[in-house]
Amino acid sequence: AQSVSQHNHHVILSEAASLELGCNYSYGGTVNLFWYVQYPGQHLQLLLKYFSGDPLVKGIKGFEAEFIKSKFSFNLRKPSVQWSDTAEYFCAVNAWNNNDMRFGAGTRLTVKP
Amino acid sequence: DVKVTQSSRYLVKRTGEKVFLECVQDMDHENMFWYRQDPGLGLRLIYFSYDVKMKEKGDIPEGYSVSREKKERFSLILESASTNQTSMYLCASSSITLMGQEDYNEQFFGPGTRLTVL
Repeated sequence: AQSVSQHNHHVILSEAASLELGCNYSYGGTVNLFWYVQYPGQHLQLLLKYFSGDPLVKGIKGFEAEFIKSKFSFNLRKPSVQWSDTAEYFCAVNAWNNNDMRFGAGTRLTVKP
Repeated sequence: DVKVTQSSRYLVKRTGEKVFLECVQDMDHENMFWYRQDPGLGLRLIYFSYDVKMKEKGDIPEGYSVSREKKERFSLILESASTNQTSMYLCASSSITLMGQEDYNEQFFGPGTRLTVL
């Protein structure tokens, strides 16, 4: 089965700093990749997703992620974070044409005003 | 808007009790999932279901069972609750994978049930 590693458990940044959260997966075949975000007290919601095509994917709120197949990575980036980006971020993967998903352990992002 | 609802936001039970967690989705999704979320461990898949009366074990099914009698409803059952099952439980649903559809496989989540077993 596929698995996901998120290397940063807790990241603390000041507003306007740039963000990059690492995500690596292990699976030999074609995959679909996702980043979900969970704001304090709220549901998990989709930030962005990659299925095929352009490996640079843009999501909501200025986030983007790049799929690098050779590195089995799907890192999340944002050029300038805001205090409202404080949340927990989860990377997820599912094997193509498969309905179940595997999530990483999550990265807690704290943005100081 | 897709809506996934869970029967309780907070639940406190005693060791040995039978616990039912209910999840309902209103988008006619074929797939439904139960996860538990624990700090530092992320979301771990307990069980999922592709269709009514169908179920598949996830990564941590021990101590849990599920029931899917209707398409919109997926129940998680703790036959005899234990303290190590204290956790946040998340339900999700998604539509079936179809060739050529860009939006397949996005999972939509409920608000979660925080279960405490004393």
